[in-house]
Amino acid sequence: GAVVSQHPSRVICKSGTSVKIECRSLDFQATTMFWYRQFPKQSLMLMATSNEGSKATYEQGVEKDKFLINHASLTLSTLTVTSAHPEDSSFYICSATSPGTGGTEAFFGQGTRLTVV
Amino acid sequence: KQEVTQIPAALSVPEGENLVLNCSFTDSAIYNLQWFRQDPGKGLTSLLLIQSSQREQTSGRLNASLDKSSGRSTLYIAASQPGDSATYLCAGGGDYKLSFGAGTTVTVRA
Repeated sequence: GAVVSQHPSRVICKSGTSVKIECRSLDFQATTMFWYRQFPKQSLMLMATSNEGSKATYEQGVEKDKFLINHASLTLSTLTVTSAHPEDSSFYICSATSPGTGGTEAFFGQGTRLTVV
Repeated sequence: KQEVTQIPAALSVPEGENLVLNCSFTDSAIYNLQWFRQDPGKGLTSLLLIQSSQREQTSGRLNASLDKSSGRSTLYIAASQPGDSATYLCAGGGDYKLSFGAGTTVTVRA
C-alpha cells in the first residue's frame, strides 16, 4: 500500500511555544490530507482537511488560528500547534487517500505524540 | 453526520480462537468502510477496505463483510495469534472523510 510518513514521532515542548508536525506522502501525490487528534483511550477525531494550494477546512470546534495547516505541495502537509498548552497534549495523526488501490483507501502516518509541559 | 459504533470495547480470547468484531454505522449512504489496526502509541495500519458496492473483502486470515441495509460491518480473524493483540478500528467514509468508531481492544492469550 501507499506510504505516509509523519515526523516527528514524539515531541515535548514548553507551554507557549509552537510545534510543527510534517506529513508526507512518499510514493503518491495527495491533493488532500487529513489531520486527526486522538486522546487516550478515545477514537480519532477529525480536526481539519488539508487541501493542496488552498486553505484548510476545519471541523467545528477546532481553532484555525491555533492549529495552522499548510499544504504547499502534493506530497507535504504541515500542522503547526501555536502557543501550545498542556491541554493540547495528544496524539496527532495525518492521513492521505490514494486512488490507485482499487478504491479510495486512506493511509495513515505513524502519528506524533505531543506533550506540552 | 456518520456515527460509528464498535462492540465490544474489549475482547480477550485464547490463542487459536476465531475473533468476531462488530461495527455499526448510522448513514447507509456510506462511500466505503475501512478496518484498521492500531498498536499502542502507534499509527494506523489499513487492514481491509470495502467499497460501497462490495459485500466483503478477504486478506489472509482476515475477512470483513459489509451490509449497508442494516448499517453493519463485521471483521473476522481466523485462528487468532498473540500477535493479533491490538486495537481494531472501523471507519466509515462519506466524502473522503472518515468517521471512526472507538475501537475494540483485542488480547489474544498464549
